[in-house]
Amino acid sequence: KQEVTQIPAALSVPEGENLVLNCSFTDSAIYNLQWFRQDPGKGLTSLLLIQSSQREQTSGRLNASLDKSSGRSTLYIAASQPGDSATYLCAVIRPGGSYIPTFGRGTSLIVHP
Amino acid sequence: SAVISQKPSRDICQRGTSLTIQCQVDSQVTMMFWYRQQPGQSLTLIATANQGSEATYESGFVIDKFPISRPNLTFSTLTVSNMSPEDSSIYLCSVEDPTYAYNEQFFGPGTRLTVL
Repeated sequence: KQEVTQIPAALSVPEGENLVLNCSFTDSAIYNLQWFRQDPGKGLTSLLLIQSSQREQTSGRLNASLDKSSGRSTLYIAASQPGDSATYLCAVIRPGGSYIPTFGRGTSLIVHP
Repeated sequence: SAVISQKPSRDICQRGTSLTIQCQVDSQVTMMFWYRQQPGQSLTLIATANQGSEATYESGFVIDKFPISRPNLTFSTLTVSNMSPEDSSIYLCSVEDPTYAYNEQFFGPGTRLTVL
């Protein structure tokens, strides 16, 4: 059974810092990995999707990397801003069947001015 | 990406009653999913809803408690039946957008349910 772990569980940083959020998974046979952002009490916003054959994806100040062999992904946030404050979730999809994702518990990020 | 709306956005309900949550997508999608997110927890899949067939429920979830309808390719409902305080959660629907490769998932804004 796939298990997804996110470290740290919570993070509080001053504005402007560069951040790294970690996601690890136990089964390296994945189809893709997706990073989401969730604002308090809200739904999920897709940030980046990395296919199993890719090593990284970039969108603006966000960069996500994937190392399948070690079962790890990182989300790098450059020059953090207070508007980045949210919970960040990673989800891993295994190949075959109905492609249902397994979610981590998330990293709760606070960026203070 | 697919645009997903949910109704209601939040509700406060009494124990023993039922609530039906609606999920509307702006494009036709084959697979829709319903999740529950209990306070401080990550997402747990309740069921997969495909148009024209019975929903497929995950372990720990049953049709009598969470009946689902999927009448067409853009709409689904989830009913939370005979509610108890333990059902207080955010309920989210999601879809796989067929215009995106690699089964990228998109989520609705969620329904925040409080059961007294």
